[in-house]
Amino acid sequence: DTGVSQNPRHKITKRGQNVTFRCDPISEHNRLYWYRQTLGQGPEFLTYFQNEAQLEKSRLLSDRFSAERPKGSFSTLEIQRTEQGDSAMYLCASSSTWTGNTGELFFGEGSRLTVL
Amino acid sequence: KNEVEQSPQNLTAQEGEFITINCSYSVGISALHWLQQHPGGGIVSLFMLSSGKKKHGRLIATINIQEKHSSLHITASHPRDSAVYICAVENRDDKIIFGKGTRLHILP
Repeated sequence: DTGVSQNPRHKITKRGQNVTFRCDPISEHNRLYWYRQTLGQGPEFLTYFQNEAQLEKSRLLSDRFSAERPKGSFSTLEIQRTEQGDSAMYLCASSSTWTGNTGELFFGEGSRLTVL
Repeated sequence: KNEVEQSPQNLTAQEGEFITINCSYSVGISALHWLQQHPGGGIVSLFMLSSGKKKHGRLIATINIQEKHSSLHITASHPRDSAVYICAVENRDDKIIFGKGTRLHILP
């Protein structure tokens, strides 16, 4: 297994454009988390999935943000009408709650968004 | 007040020193994670614990559930230990909440 994979690694876009990030978790990991991190800060929770179900979405997330995990495997995070304040590193993590697994978190390398 | 508080925010020490990073939380949890993030790098899980103590190499993590407190210790610190150390708790709803991190710098 190659671990958690995120792409693109870096996205530069103009304000007002839509962007989409993809996360491929470790196979058979049923939990998938999206976080946002800005410079000097710890990761900030955005949303998470148990299989294909989105269990919680942060109140910090405006309606411009949407996430999906249609088949319980990969997930996408879309930001519509991007604003400069959306510039951040978007991190994905996965874990498994199946019996015999530790529940340890595995993180992707992140997708860095720069909104001009 | 943040649900997860770490101290200190920044720590600079000499190589070889014993390092302690603290984490306090205010919510009921099912587990606590210690994570490491190198500059420009991804986040790596160091420990996941729900009670007692775990040791891996020069790293030791302890948790006191009653006091809602955890510590991460590094023995014989080395410049390569320089990184941001993040405490994260998994609450009863399986949501993971992160602390702001402790920036550690070990001088040679």
